Amino acid sequence: RKEVEQDPGPFNVPEGATVAFNCTYSNSASQSFFWYRQDCRKEPKLLMSVYSSGNEDGRFTAQLNRASQYISLLIRDSKLSDSATYLCVVNTNSGYSTLTFGKGTMLLVSP
Amino acid sequence: EAGVTQFPSHSVIEKGQTVTLRCDPISGHDNLYWYRRVMGKEIKFLLHFVKESKQDESGMPNNRFLAERTGGTYSTLKVQPAELEDSGVYFCASSQDETDSYNEQFFGPGTRLTVL
Repeated sequence: RKEVEQDPGPFNVPEGATVAFNCTYSNSASQSFFWYRQDCRKEPKLLMSVYSSGNEDGRFTAQLNRASQYISLLIRDSKLSDSATYLCVVNTNSGYSTLTFGKGTMLLVSP
Repeated sequence: EAGVTQFPSHSVIEKGQTVTLRCDPISGHDNLYWYRRVMGKEIKFLLHFVKESKQDESGMPNNRFLAERTGGTYSTLKVQPAELEDSGVYFCASSQDETDSYNEQFFGPGTRLTVL
């Protein structure tokens, strides 16, 4: 079983749609959780950290369920510029930050 | 403020040759990480420096890979001799404070290595 699993995608949605990304992780001792965004042939960039209480940043909402070892990202009112690969990332190291990445889910937003 | 920089952006070498990748972290960041993405796979951790010391090198694939960070500033990752399966994108990242597990890692643009 992979340490971090994501929906394989790609997701093709029209502008304005709401899209949800799901992720599960296998290590129950994982410390911190993130969604990174990666544009084609670019480096990953932090989109949001994900906290137990859930958090929102504009059109983006992230949720964490530690009991189910499940993380989600919701994007409302999709824009063309949201087209990218979304990476679910988990820090599994209690001492230092060793990031474990999911394979990513590609999102294509069309006009 | 300059971000993480990596050199070269692309490298094409033949099997058996040596390649050295360089990473310059964000100024003042003590933590430096190397990651690799092989085609079709997820990004995987290789190793972590705290200043000039290797904190964790559990992700290094084998002894053909040697990472250094002399003086605790820039880092190099040498592959010698390179094999076909070493092809991929090598990312470097840096971060400031390791006491917070939510501390952000900033990634460089990566070096795309192709071994023929």
